[in-house]
Amino acid sequence: IAGITQAPTSQILAAGRRMTLRCTQDMRHNAMYWYRQDLGLGLRLIHYSNTAGTTGKGEVPDGYSVSRANTDDFPLTLASAVPSQTSVYFCATAKDREVDTQYFGPGTRLTVL
Amino acid sequence: GQNIDQPTEMTATEGAIVQINCTYQTSGFNGLFWYQQHAGEAPTFLSYNVLDGLEEKGRFSSFLSRSKGYSYLLLKELQMKDSASYLCAVRDSNYQLIWGAGTKLIIKP
Repeated sequence: IAGITQAPTSQILAAGRRMTLRCTQDMRHNAMYWYRQDLGLGLRLIHYSNTAGTTGKGEVPDGYSVSRANTDDFPLTLASAVPSQTSVYFCATAKDREVDTQYFGPGTRLTVL
Repeated sequence: GQNIDQPTEMTATEGAIVQINCTYQTSGFNGLFWYQQHAGEAPTFLSYNVLDGLEEKGRFSSFLSRSKGYSYLLLKELQMKDSASYLCAVRDSNYQLIWGAGTKLIIKP
C-alpha cells in the first residue's frame, strides 16, 4: 500500500441497502476525513477523526456513520442508502489537523438507484 | 455563515498567464489552500498561505490578503495539462477546511 486507498472504486447500489466505503492509509497520519463531492458544490465534510478512537460530525453527517478503531482505517457506512447519497466520496488524511495539508484518496463513485 | 467564492469557469490560451481569484468569509482563519483536480481524479495539493503575501512555486504562485479576505492563484506559461478545476479552501477556527465550488480552467491551443 502506498498512501491512501479507497474501495470500491465505484458501486451501483439499490436504495435501502447498507453499504460500507473503505479507506486505508499507510502514512500514520492522525487525522482522517470523509467528504462528498457533488457537481457545482464544494467538497462537503461528512465525518472526521482527529485521532484513533475519536470521531466527529461534519457539515452533512445525516445518513452516514464512521468508526476509527485504529490509525490506518476509517470506514464510512451508509445504513440505508437513498438516491440523494449518489455522489463521489473522498477520504483524506492529515498528519496534524491544525497545521498540515490534507491528502486525498482516489475516491469512490457511488450511485444509489 | 461561512462562504468561499471563486469563478465557476475561466478560459485561457496555452502559453499565457491566468489569475484565479478566491474571496472568503469564515469563522476564523488558519490558512488558505489551493488544490488542483483533474476530471475524474482526486484533488492534489498545490499551495498554502497563512501570512499575507506571495508564495511562488515554479509556474504557480499564490497570494493572500487576510484583511481583504482574498487570495489568488497565478498560473504562468500555461500548458494543456493545466486544464483542470482549481479548488480554494480555508481552514477555519475549528481547523476544518471550508471549500469553494472550484474554478474549471479551460486551456485553448
